[in-house]
Amino acid sequence: SQELEQSPQSLIVQEGKNLTINCTSSKTLYGLYWYKQKYGEGLIFLMMLQKGGEEKSHEKITAKLDEKKQQSSLHITASQPSHAGIYLCGAARAQKLVFGQGTRLTINP
Amino acid sequence: EAQVTQNPRYLITVTGKKLTVTCSQNMNHEYMSWYRQDPGLGLRQIYYSMNVEVTDKGDVPEGYKVSRKEKRNFPLILESPSPNQTSLYFCASSRQAGQPQHFGDGTRLSIL
Repeated sequence: SQELEQSPQSLIVQEGKNLTINCTSSKTLYGLYWYKQKYGEGLIFLMMLQKGGEEKSHEKITAKLDEKKQQSSLHITASQPSHAGIYLCGAARAQKLVFGQGTRLTINP
Repeated sequence: EAQVTQNPRYLITVTGKKLTVTCSQNMNHEYMSWYRQDPGLGLRQIYYSMNVEVTDKGDVPEGYKVSRKEKRNFPLILESPSPNQTSLYFCASSRQAGQPQHFGDGTRLSIL
């Protein structure tokens, strides 16, 4: 099984709706990254969370880190077509970086 | 413009024919890494490099080699490619390990 599990694996929402993607770790989280990938393209860094309880926002995307639950959530408010893509969470493990399997987000007009 | 450049972007080749995927970054980053992305498995790290002449295995290093002779370049070598190495490959770099990484646009490899 994956060290980082994302849920849901895919999500279809209507434009304008809010949505949440979760990332749960089987190990203690000391920091977590969120990336976005457009289909078949490279990853774009969104946010890094380092402290328990930390919350960061970028435009309409907000991410939180719950260290006790070993979980992070990414919330999009009033989704737009530009939010479509694959969202990946990643965690540093010593000098390595591990990723979740990704959540594919589709926005319907 | 800060970027990580991979070449080629697409390659179809045959089993056993040695190939190299180049990766270059212009940000003077110390840390570089290679990943492969497969459906349902997400991104898995193949090799990483903390600095020049320092490389280490990631989670799926079998069948791959890397070298880091210069800070900016980190080529991925498949000495004898096999069909199970068909995948989408990404190179990434960061100032140091543990910091957000910049990713290249990816190389789609098909091994027949």
